[in-house]
Amino acid sequence: DGGITQSPKYLFRKEGQNVTLSCEQNLNHDAMYWYRQDPGQGLRLIYYSQIVNDFQKGDIAEGYSVSREKKESFPLTVTSAQKNPTAFYLCASSTGSVQPQHFGDGTRLSIL
Amino acid sequence: KQEVTQIPAALSVPEGENLVLNCSFTDSAIYNLQWFRQDPGKGLTSLLLIQSSQREQTSGRLNASLDKSSGRSTLYIAASQPGDSATYLCAVRIDRGSTLGRLYFGRGTQLTVWP
Repeated sequence: DGGITQSPKYLFRKEGQNVTLSCEQNLNHDAMYWYRQDPGQGLRLIYYSQIVNDFQKGDIAEGYSVSREKKESFPLTVTSAQKNPTAFYLCASSTGSVQPQHFGDGTRLSIL
Repeated sequence: KQEVTQIPAALSVPEGENLVLNCSFTDSAIYNLQWFRQDPGKGLTSLLLIQSSQREQTSGRLNASLDKSSGRSTLYIAASQPGDSATYLCAVRIDRGSTLGRLYFGRGTQLTVWP
């Protein structure tokens, strides 16, 4: 079945450590997105990519980095510069403006 | 900047009731609007997508309407069931320059349907 796979489901970060969240899709979608969700909040856009080797900052990009070397993969790195990384992270993809965005099941990141 | 507001923040109803969830947005120049469902600890599931040229979309017991000029959308759920309990999120998509393809989300309405 086609879909979006996020891994791991749970992740713990130590002080000063960078961690990478994986997002893979087999939907052949051009666009991919990373969102952060905090309790009681809507989703906030971190980064998005319309095509391979190109990406744009969203509303809360500071302390995060991404790469888009392959169409199906859009990993997110939470760097040590992100002082409040505890949140639920969601990856999404879409093809064209008239189609809905599809979401993965998320990664919950916590601080040790 | 596009702001999306959802009212109410939480709703608790007995099984069988018809209910309406509201979504409003500040910039009417949207491309489309999407309603999602989110179960606890899970990702989002797309329920309905309405293009800016459309007035409504229906899927089973769900009906979503869009009034672009007034910046409003409603999600109508008929004959609610306990399995409808979830958080419902509204998102609008704008296509303007560097913001091509991105969504703006509301904070959601947390729905509880009790037996």
